[in-house]
Amino acid sequence: GVTQSPTHLIKTRGQQVTLRCSSQSGHNTVSWYQQALGQGPQFIFQYYREEENGRGNFPPRFSGLQFPNDSSELNVNALELDDSALYLCASSKRLAGDLDTQYFGPGTRLTVL
Amino acid sequence: RKEVEQDPGPFNVPEGATVAFNCTYSNSASQSFFWYRQDCRKEPKLLMSVYSSGNEDGRFTAQLNRASQYISLLIRDSKLSDSATYLCVVAGGTSYGKLTFGQGTILTVHP
Repeated sequence: GVTQSPTHLIKTRGQQVTLRCSSQSGHNTVSWYQQALGQGPQFIFQYYREEENGRGNFPPRFSGLQFPNDSSELNVNALELDDSALYLCASSKRLAGDLDTQYFGPGTRLTVL
Repeated sequence: RKEVEQDPGPFNVPEGATVAFNCTYSNSASQSFFWYRQDCRKEPKLLMSVYSSGNEDGRFTAQLNRASQYISLLIRDSKLSDSATYLCVVAGGTSYGKLTFGQGTILTVHP
């Protein structure tokens, strides 16, 4: 399945954070979502074959990487209090132009103080 | 206006009850529709896809009305284990692969 690390993280305002995701074997697409308390997940961006392939309404201080070994990262610079949320990654396989079901990891809960 | 709107509830129903959730979406170019379930402090999990012809999976029935841009989920004979947040999700259109979630509807089934 999809795994994420760490499970919980506490940072202070202005710091930088890196969250990690390991996709399901054979999946070539990873998407990242931010879920604030009481809200549905919001799309941050998607990576396909190690390139960004779509981005939501998030500032450039949110960046990502996808590696050939089914792992990926979400980096957030200059943390703000509103960045406190559950960060979810979802992996899937793109087949003939269509995107298969996205499977979510358990998430990383980030608290910014 | 939010892209996907749901009544956040909460819905509190007794075991055995039938409960219905509704959802509307604003992007008429959306192509795929889903209901996800999310347990407290867990990740969302796909409950079922939603098709124009309507589809059923055991006690769960989903309907899509493209003309009204409306999606519904019906749960019959509710179980305690159905207690969760139900997320209405749309995808496709101009943002390939992006899932757009509603706020979620909280369901609590009590004995």
